[in-house]
Amino acid sequence: KAGVTQTPRYLIKTRGQQVTLSCSPISGHRSVSWYQQTPGQGLQFLFEYFSETQRNKGNFPGRFSGRQFSNSRSEMNVSTLELGDSALYLCASGQQGARTGELFFGEGSRLTVL
Amino acid sequence: GENVEQHPSTLSVQEGDSAVIKCTYSDSASNYFPWYKQELGKGPQLIIDIRSNVGEKKDQRIAVTLNKTAKHFSLHITETQPEDSAVYFCAANNNDMRFGAGTRLTVKP
Repeated sequence: KAGVTQTPRYLIKTRGQQVTLSCSPISGHRSVSWYQQTPGQGLQFLFEYFSETQRNKGNFPGRFSGRQFSNSRSEMNVSTLELGDSALYLCASGQQGARTGELFFGEGSRLTVL
Repeated sequence: GENVEQHPSTLSVQEGDSAVIKCTYSDSASNYFPWYKQELGKGPQLIIDIRSNVGEKKDQRIAVTLNKTAKHFSLHITETQPEDSAVYFCAANNNDMRFGAGTRLTVKP
């Protein structure tokens, strides 16, 4: 069974640009969660989608958004990039999601903002 | 919301020794407590988890204990090996999964 796939793995953007990251969950998983990982802040919860609906949202500004498609694939978008958005963005999938069960993480998309 | 604190932030042990990492959580409604191992350049990998109706769980060299009254849980690794070197994260969930800050474990051969 294929694991969680995130694309792209690495990308470099400049301030003010926007970026879209993609996540394909494990087959059969309906929940996709997104996390931002930085050395100073650790793993911070961005949002969770379940069956195309946003189920929960962390404390991030509105520049961070996401969506989930009918095949459970998810995208997250960051607009008007700032230097502080440089981070590893991790996607995790689960059958029931963070509320009740295991999360399986992808390798992440490393974003560098110059 | 949930707040998870993890200690220590770094831990260095000799191969064969035991390692213990401790976490506390704030939300008494949290009911699922996983532990993740993250190696360099990879995403976190679930290594063991425990639910609130269980006090202890063991899987080979790894064990987790949970004290719901005190709201703390711990990861125990026995007979450590160099390949155990990684960053370990604890987490607690209620409506979403909140992670501790991580412990960088180094096992010296």
